[in-house]
Order: sequence, then C-alpha cells, then structure tokens
Amino acid sequence: KNQVEQSPQSLIILEGKNCTLQCNYTVSPFSNLRWYKQDTGRGPVSLTIMTFSENTKSNGRYTATLDADTKQSSLHITASQLSDSASYICVVSRDTNFGNEKLTFGTGTRLTIIP
Amino acid sequence: ETGVTQTPRHLVMGMTNKKSLKCEQHLGHNAMYWYKQSAKKPLELMFVYSLEERVENNSVPSRFSPECPNSSHLFLHLHTLQPEDSALYLCASSQDEFGGANVLTFGAGSRLTVL
Repeated sequence: KNQVEQSPQSLIILEGKNCTLQCNYTVSPFSNLRWYKQDTGRGPVSLTIMTFSENTKSNGRYTATLDADTKQSSLHITASQLSDSASYICVVSRDTNFGNEKLTFGTGTRLTIIP
Repeated sequence: ETGVTQTPRHLVMGMTNKKSLKCEQHLGHNAMYWYKQSAKKPLELMFVYSLEERVENNSVPSRFSPECPNSSHLFLHLHTLQPEDSALYLCASSQDEFGGANVLTFGAGSRLTVL
C-alpha cells in the first residue's frame, strides 16, 4: 500500500534553534518527493522537490535530504524563525502506466516556534 | 497571492442549502484540482481537470459536483451536504496533469462548515 508517514506529529522549539522533520514512505514506483509548507489558514506552498538521483537540496534555511534506498527523507530547518511556524507536508509521487503521476500525502508535522 | 484565488474563504451552510466554491488561476496552467483537507488527515484528491476535461473522479459523493468552464476557472457545486463534509477545500493547478515533477500551486482554500 502506498503510504507516507511523517514524524513527529507536532514539534515546539525555541526561536533560533534547528530542527529536523522526518518522512518515511512506501510509495512505489518512486518518481519524486516534495516538501510543502502550509501556514495556518493558507494553502500549501512548495519548498523543494527531489528526484531519485538527488540526495540533498537546499532552499534558504531549509535543507531536504532523500535516501531512496531506505525510502526516507528529512527536512532540516536551520536557525528557526517565528515565520517558520506552520505545517510541513511530505508528498511522494509515483508514475502510473497512463503517463500521469499520483501523489500520496503525509499528514504533516505541525511546527511551532516560540520566542 | 500564489496565482490561484479561491472564493469564498469561509462558508457556513445548512444541509439543505446549495452553494458553490470558485477557483481561478492566473498562471496559464492546463490542469486544475480539487482537494479536501480534514483535520489530522492527508489531503484527499477529489477531482482533476486537464484542458477543461475531467480526467479523474476519486469516488466522490454526487453531492459534490465540479465544473470547469475554461482552463482558468474551476467550480465545486455543493448540495445536501453532511456535517462530515466540513473541511478545508483546496484548489490547485499545475502546468500539466501528465508527466513527472509537476509542482502544484495551491489556493488559500475555502473553509466549509456544514451545520
């Protein structure tokens, strides 16, 4: 069964600290993995997208890693800011026989940054 | 703004009402989507339109009726809804429905409450 599991469900850290969010998946055949940030009351916004051959990808203070062998990804946030408070959603894509792609969403990690 | 606009942002309706959600994208994308987001659940894909043609309907109850009059607009018509339909309804668009690594651009969502 195609599934995406994220941990922890929620996380509270002090402003300025680093944190790492985890994503494990069983989606097959794998096409790509995306991380989205969703602020409260807003739609998800894409942070990064990684294909099979990419191990690490950065977007400012956000660094995503992918281990396609163990089917794990992480999102590391450096020097957290109050604006990083949001839900972070891991999404894994698989290609179908029809030439399109199917997305499997995780339930997200709710991150709260406190001053 | 992300280029995908949804209205209304909030909607409260009774179970016997008929209402519609509207989505407009200004990105020149060919594919548009409706997703349902409930608390502590992954996003659920409801409908996919590619070049104004419905290409996917994920076993959604008939009380939800989509309409795509052109490639920039998408509607979700609602009638005789149930309280469990209360959720955040997200519209998204992407360049194409086919092919890998299509990044979804989401709207801010319409928060629906069914009394």
